[in-house]
Formats: sequence, C-alpha cells, structure tokens
Amino acid sequence: EIVMTQSPATLSVSPGERATLSCRASQSVSSNLAWYQQKPGQSPRLLIYGASARATGIPARFSGSGSGTEFTLTISSLQSEDFAFYYCQQYNNWPPTWTFGQGTKVEIK
Amino acid sequence: QVQLVQSGAEVKKPGASVKVSCKASGYTFTAYLMHWVRQAPGQRLEWMGWINGGNGDTKYSQKFQGRVTITRDTSASTAYMELSSLRSEDTAVYYCARTTPRAAAGDYWGQGTLVTVSS
Repeated sequence: EIVMTQSPATLSVSPGERATLSCRASQSVSSNLAWYQQKPGQSPRLLIYGASARATGIPARFSGSGSGTEFTLTISSLQSEDFAFYYCQQYNNWPPTWTFGQGTKVEIK
Repeated sequence: QVQLVQSGAEVKKPGASVKVSCKASGYTFTAYLMHWVRQAPGQRLEWMGWINGGNGDTKYSQKFQGRVTITRDTSASTAYMELSSLRSEDTAVYYCARTTPRAAAGDYWGQGTLVTVSS
C-alpha cells in the first residue's frame, strides 16, 4: 500500500500570508495526486487534481505542484475561509485504490 | 447539478451490520464509479472501496475485504455500502464520492452518514 505523509501537522499562518503544505508518497504516484479541503462537520472539497490542476470553482490562490513522490499545496494569500484541514490523496493505477495523508490543520496565527 | 444524498445517522450494536445509501442525481449514474470513504473521529480519511455504476464491478480495500459489500441499484441511481460485524472502532462518518471510471479524484461527495457502534 502506498503511504502518504503530510507535513507539518499544524501550520499557524496570519491572514494574507502564504501557506505551504507538503505531501510525500512512499513510492511514485506520478501526477495522480489530489488535495482536499475539509472544514469541521463538512465533506471534503476537491481543490487540486493531477497534482496541479484546480478543480471547478477553486480560486487561483490555491496551487499545486510536484510529481513522483513529493508534492506541495500553496495558498498564496490566506483568507479567513481557508482555515481548515487539508488532505492529500493518491489515486494511482487501475483499478484505483485511494490512500490519504493524515492531514494538515491550517490555523489562524 | 450533481448531488449525492446519503441516508441518515445510524446507531448499531457490536456485531450488527449497517447499510448506508447514496442517491445520485444530476448526472448519468452508470457512467461513473462510486467510492466509499470513512473518517473516524479525529482521524484521516480511509478508503473502503468502489463500485462501477455501469457494470457493477467492485474493488475493496484489503482492510475491509470480507466485511464490506458495495452494491448499486441503477433504476434508483443509488449506491449502497454495507459493513458487517461492526465493532466500536467502526464508529465514523461514512462518505460516498463520485469519480470518472479511471484513476481519478472524487469531484463530488455526499454529506456523510454518522454510524455509531455502541453497546
């Protein structure tokens, strides 16, 4: 099973600042990597797929990069609504199986 | 618009089974996969398996193999996830999520169903 590891566990950021979240795969997943945002009591919301493509309706301040085993989600200027948990997910191969990272909590500094 | 609407919260005793439904609308149910994912309190998301809405093929996580069964009713555009031999560790919110029939991320998710296992 591919293991996904996110860092840091918690990121304290002031509104308007940049946030950089990392995700590492235990083996190459090519670009089959997604990022989700989840707020308490809500379902995950797809932000990024294919490592760098923004999902429909996602603001341009969210960007993803990386391939293989190292990935990054950048939020260029944090807005109040961006304080949440963020999960990376791999969906490599067919038939697909999914594994998720343990999440990064982005909190207000 | 695409919607996935799940059944309501359940309380079950250890050893029992639970069946959660996910009714799809706004798209062609048979053209997509439906995945099931759970999240125990304070834990990461955990993938359980999927069903092909068209041909009914399934794929399960090894962790749940033998305890989980995913089915669908194409006439009702509804997918079901049944988990048996419940234990307290199965207390979680269960989600359905749609993908195209390839390796892909979940673009639409249900609202979640809380399953509580308690004696």
